[in-house]
Amino acid sequence: EVQLVQSGAEVKKPGESLKISCKGSGYSFTSYYIGWVRQMPGKGLEWMGIIHPGDYETRYSPSSQGQVTISADRSISTAYLQWSSLKASDTAMYYCARHNSGLRVIDYWGQGTLVTVSP
Amino acid sequence: QSALTQPASVSGSPGQSITISCTGTSSDVGGYNYVSWYQQHPGKAPKLMIYDVSNRPSGVSNRFSGSKSGDTASLTISGLQAEDEADYYCSSSTSSSTLRFGGGTKLTVL
Repeated sequence: EVQLVQSGAEVKKPGESLKISCKGSGYSFTSYYIGWVRQMPGKGLEWMGIIHPGDYETRYSPSSQGQVTISADRSISTAYLQWSSLKASDTAMYYCARHNSGLRVIDYWGQGTLVTVSP
Repeated sequence: QSALTQPASVSGSPGQSITISCTGTSSDVGGYNYVSWYQQHPGKAPKLMIYDVSNRPSGVSNRFSGSKSGDTASLTISGLQAEDEADYYCSSSTSSSTLRFGGGTKLTVL
């Protein structure tokens, strides 16, 4: 069974750094792109970017480029989303998502990690 | 990058059919047969309902169907049931090698 298990909720202050994780199991982690999707409170889904754990190729949406870093450690089947300096506007639910056949479809989702940034 | 265009809300009575549209451009919806639809219940992660315009993953009810004409894709739900009440999002691959979501549609079952 394919599973994506994300790290727990975080409460941070503006300017702090943060790295959240997503551990994949039940499939060949290095064979599929894995990405991150943001959902701000009461809003829709926004695709942030992806990484291919096989060769660590990354792609970002224009709005996420330079704002976050997506990385992975294939030795532990885990992907990461990282901020160096959080803003209040980063408050959102973040989902990791397995992409199938490149960018054709997201077939599996993590349970979500709620990030709250407040003074 | 703006979101694909979906109606903010649709509604229908149990047993009826509804259709949700998803409009993009030739650089996304119109250029690729890689449109997907996701269902999201409150407080839950999205769930894949349709991929590659009209294919259903195993386990998804055949009451859900998808189609595409030009730059607009559509999701149709027939025989509406109370549990279909949720938010629905479309997505499409783009010519920029990214994924773009629609703004989302809230389905209310009356």
